[in-house]
Amino acid sequence: GENVEQHPSTLSVQEGDSAVIKCTYSDSASNYFPWYKQELGKRPQLIIDIRSNVGEKKDQRIAVTLNKTAKHFSLHITETQPEDSAVYFCAASMEFSGGYNKLIFGAGTRLAVHP
Amino acid sequence: ETGVTQTPRHLVMGMTNKKSLKCEQHLGHNAMYWYKQSAKKPLELMFVYSLEERVENNSVPSRFSPECPNSSHLFLHLHTLQPEDSALYLCASSQFQGGEQYFGPGTRLTVT
Repeated sequence: GENVEQHPSTLSVQEGDSAVIKCTYSDSASNYFPWYKQELGKRPQLIIDIRSNVGEKKDQRIAVTLNKTAKHFSLHITETQPEDSAVYFCAASMEFSGGYNKLIFGAGTRLAVHP
Repeated sequence: ETGVTQTPRHLVMGMTNKKSLKCEQHLGHNAMYWYKQSAKKPLELMFVYSLEERVENNSVPSRFSPECPNSSHLFLHLHTLQPEDSALYLCASSQFQGGEQYFGPGTRLTVT
């Protein structure tokens, strides 16, 4: 089955710096790669996702890159702010014909942005 | 209420109790999911329902029993749990082939 590795487990940066979180997946059939942000005591929320037919996607300060050959994808946050502090989860899945996707999550990265 | 709601938000139960967790989605989605989130472990997919039919059961012990009576409601029935079952249980829903899963706030379960 699918396995997702996520690194680093913790990341500390100064406000304004960039942060990069990397994930690798094992199942070459995976075609959907979302990133979720979970603040303390809150639910995971999708911040960006990418499908296997594109290599990069950007949304303001957040970007995701995908290398299908190497089976890895990364989250890039630029100009970090204290409110970016949270746990970030990557996931990989296939979208099944039954209309659902089976997300396999990485272990999470705890990002701390210091003012 | 909008989005995905879960009740109760906190639950403490003994190992011999029977309880149920409830999830409701107000998004018109067709698929619903149960996840377990334990400290220092990845989010673990437990069950998937698509159009009210269970399509995935990720080797979950039988002491967890899901039920999906309609596309808006999902239950997780609990009985004779173990202390290691203490965790945050998250419900999610997604649109048919829409990709994004929307999570509920979770139920913090403690088994004593």
